[in-house]
Amino acid sequence: DAGVTQSPTHLIKTRGQQVTLRCSPKSGHDTVSWYQQALGQGPQFIFQYYEEEERQRGNFPDRFSGHQFPNYSSELNVNALLLGDSALYLCASSLVEGEQFFGPGTRLTVL
Amino acid sequence: DQQVKQNSPSLSVQEGRISILNCDYTNSMFDYFLWYKKYPAEGPTFLISISSIKDKNEDGRFTVFLNKSAKHLSLHIVPSQPGDSAVYFCAATEDDKIIFGKGTRLHILP
Repeated sequence: DAGVTQSPTHLIKTRGQQVTLRCSPKSGHDTVSWYQQALGQGPQFIFQYYEEEERQRGNFPDRFSGHQFPNYSSELNVNALLLGDSALYLCASSLVEGEQFFGPGTRLTVL
Repeated sequence: DQQVKQNSPSLSVQEGRISILNCDYTNSMFDYFLWYKKYPAEGPTFLISISSIKDKNEDGRFTVFLNKSAKHLSLHIVPSQPGDSAVYFCAATEDDKIIFGKGTRLHILP
């Protein structure tokens, strides 16, 4: 079992660009949650997808959007990037309301 | 506004001694509390949890204590080992969201 995988590992973008991050859940899991971890902070909940629908959303602007595919993998899209979007983006998979397993994250740097 | 607070950014403990990591929270509606451990270049891994209806949960070297009246929980690691050096996040669940503290970096000294 590969566990939760995320791609890419690192990414550098410039302000105003758009970015797409990808997550493959642990085998058997149907729910994907995304978190943003800024430097020196704990992870902050962005949103959660279940059955290809956004099930819950944290306090993030509409520039952050997502998608879940029929195979349960997920994408996080961020438009109009700001310097403050630089962070580690973590994906976690679970069965709905079950224990969440985290991937290693994607480090996004916005210049 | 931080609902889960870890006020100690770092902690150094001698190998073999007890490590005590503390956490405070503000929302009395939280139903589960969790501790995660994070190594560099890895995602957080679940360590131990406690339901809001309990005051203690133990798993091997790890024990979590919950004091609901004080809105305080702590993680005890005994004895501390070199592999315990990591960042520890205190967290709480609310409607299947995990709300994390800022983390405490634990250094185990030889």
